[in-house]
Amino acid sequence: EVQLVESGGGLVQPGGSLRVSCAASGFTFSNYWMHWVRQAPGKGLVWVSHIDSDGSTRAYADSVKSRFTISRDNAKRTLYLQINSLRAEDTAVYYCAKEGRYRSMDVWGQGTTVTVSS
Amino acid sequence: DIQMTQSPSSVSASVGDRVTITCRASQGISTWVAWYQQKPGKAPKLLIYAASSLQSGVPSRFSGSGSGTEFTLTISSLQPEDFATYYCQQANNYVLTFGGGTKVEIK
Repeated sequence: EVQLVESGGGLVQPGGSLRVSCAASGFTFSNYWMHWVRQAPGKGLVWVSHIDSDGSTRAYADSVKSRFTISRDNAKRTLYLQINSLRAEDTAVYYCAKEGRYRSMDVWGQGTTVTVSS
Repeated sequence: DIQMTQSPSSVSASVGDRVTITCRASQGISTWVAWYQQKPGKAPKLLIYAASSLQSGVPSRFSGSGSGTEFTLTISSLQPEDFATYYCQQANNYVLTFGGGTKVEIK
């Protein structure tokens, strides 16, 4: 079964850091681009970042550039998102997703919740 | 960045109704559009890619059309399990963007 499982979310103080992870199974992880998408409480989906199959190319939404870093370990079949200088507006469910045809996202994890509050 | 403007933001409909959701891109994006369904507390689910290609396993009552700047998602006969929020996503640009969402509610 193709599956993505996020972990690492939690309650963090403003200005703090967190690394969320996404473990992949059921497909050849190293062949696919991967994405992070977030959703603030009661709000819509926001694309955050992507990384290509070997980790050499990355892109970020303007709102997170310089604070977020996407990475991957193909040997461990795991995607990461390092989040620094956390702000209240970073409070959201963070989803990882596998890229499918025509740059759609065809497999999603269940999400991990990051809450930024003092 | 390319903006995706989705309308309406919500629609009330009955089982069996035909529902159409529109997404307008701020610049031409050929057919680089995907559509997703999201139910409360769940991850999004891919319905349509490349503007009109049905994702495997998705019922045929869902269809997509459009190119350039105007795109539509149509549900031909609304079923009880279709009450959800729907999002478009552009994939033409290196930086991806989603529309604001359309909530399909029970009338």
